[in-house]
Amino acid sequence: DMKVTQMPRYLIKRMGENVLLECGQDMSHETMYWYRQDPGLGLQLIYISYDVDSNSEGDIPKGYRVSRKKREHFSLILDSAKTNQTSVYFCASSPLWANSDYTFGSGTRLLVI
Amino acid sequence: AQSVTQPDARVTVSEGASLQLRCKYSYSATPYLFWYVQYPRQGLQLLLKYYSGDPVVQGVNSFEAEFSKSNSSFHLQKASVHWSDSAVYFCALSLYQGGRALIFGTGTTVSVSP
Repeated sequence: DMKVTQMPRYLIKRMGENVLLECGQDMSHETMYWYRQDPGLGLQLIYISYDVDSNSEGDIPKGYRVSRKKREHFSLILDSAKTNQTSVYFCASSPLWANSDYTFGSGTRLLVI
Repeated sequence: AQSVTQPDARVTVSEGASLQLRCKYSYSATPYLFWYVQYPRQGLQLLLKYYSGDPVVQGVNSFEAEFSKSNSSFHLQKASVHWSDSAVYFCALSLYQGGRALIFGTGTTVSVSP
């Protein structure tokens, strides 16, 4: 079954704590993405990864970093979380040759208090 | 800069009625265009896509979209909606065939009333 799995589904953190969001895919897709979704703003790209250790900033990378040590796994890290990072975070993957074939995870709802 | 505009934040339609969701894009050449649907508490799922050729594309669940280069638009339509079509719909564009991220519109929330 082709899927993108995000863990955890829900997360509550205090301001200043570190946050790790994890994403896995079982399709051997080269490209993986992290987006955040906020009401009225749609999806905004945080980071894109073209393969292991080949990551590029998206439109809103400030306050985030990523790690991709295996093709099937892509992590989003928030060092010292801020309240304005409360959002729904989506991970997606696609084959390098066809970026229309996005497969999305179900999202992680992060609340920073 | 390239962008996608969905002018309607919310649309309410009656079950069985037709639905049109508007999408306008900004890009000097012809982009690759997509419509995605998001059901509550889920990720996005692809409805249909346009690369080239016939400007009317068919998608899943009887949705179709029409590309217009002159109007820079890619409107989504369905002839008769069902309550299960209640969801958020996103229009998106890409400038390249592969390896580049999609640019999403802000989404249109569709509510289908009985």
